[in-house]
Amino acid sequence: EDQVTQSPEALRLQEGESSSLNCSYTVSGLRGLFWYRQDPGKGPEFLFTLYSAGEEKEKERLKATLTKKESFLHITAPKPEDSATYLCAVRGSNSGYALNFGKGTSLLVTP
Amino acid sequence: GAVVSQHPSWVICKSGTSVKIECRSLDFQATTMFWYRQFPKQSLMLMATSNEGSKATYEQGVEKDKFLINHASLTLSTLTVTSAHPEDSSFYICSAHSSGQGLDYGYTFGSGTRLTVV
Repeated sequence: EDQVTQSPEALRLQEGESSSLNCSYTVSGLRGLFWYRQDPGKGPEFLFTLYSAGEEKEKERLKATLTKKESFLHITAPKPEDSATYLCAVRGSNSGYALNFGKGTSLLVTP
Repeated sequence: GAVVSQHPSWVICKSGTSVKIECRSLDFQATTMFWYRQFPKQSLMLMATSNEGSKATYEQGVEKDKFLINHASLTLSTLTVTSAHPEDSSFYICSAHSSGQGLDYGYTFGSGTRLTVV
């Protein structure tokens, strides 16, 4: 069974203080690892999809990387507007198109 | 970009009544629709998967007679919570997936529906 574990559960950063969020996964035949941002009371907003180990993608202050066992979401010089819950999800070869989500990391960036 | 419209954004209903939630893909055809439930500070839990014109596939532990899913067209899926009870109170989110001609166009999520059963 596919499993996704995110750490830490919560993270508090000062504005400008860079850090990384972790997503460890076990999956039968990775068909994609997804990062989403979710604001309170809203649906997830797509950030990145990674497909193979060694792949990296960047968007503004965010950079996602992937190994065979985990993915990192690096946040460089975060701003208060980056505060949100960041969700990691995987799609495995045995799950059709369904995604299996981790519990998320709640990020708070203070001025 | 792809947009999924979910309505209502919130609803309060009395125990024993039924509630329908709609999910529409506005500018693309959704090959597959997914329905998730999310409890406070918890992850999205997949409830069911539906393909247009087919019966939905429910995850283990999800009562198909309680959570009725209809996917009558490539742009509309509905989730009806029948005989709702307070324990059904949750945040329900739909997701549309589009693929075709060997291409995977990815997933788009609705904005969610907060259901409160009193």
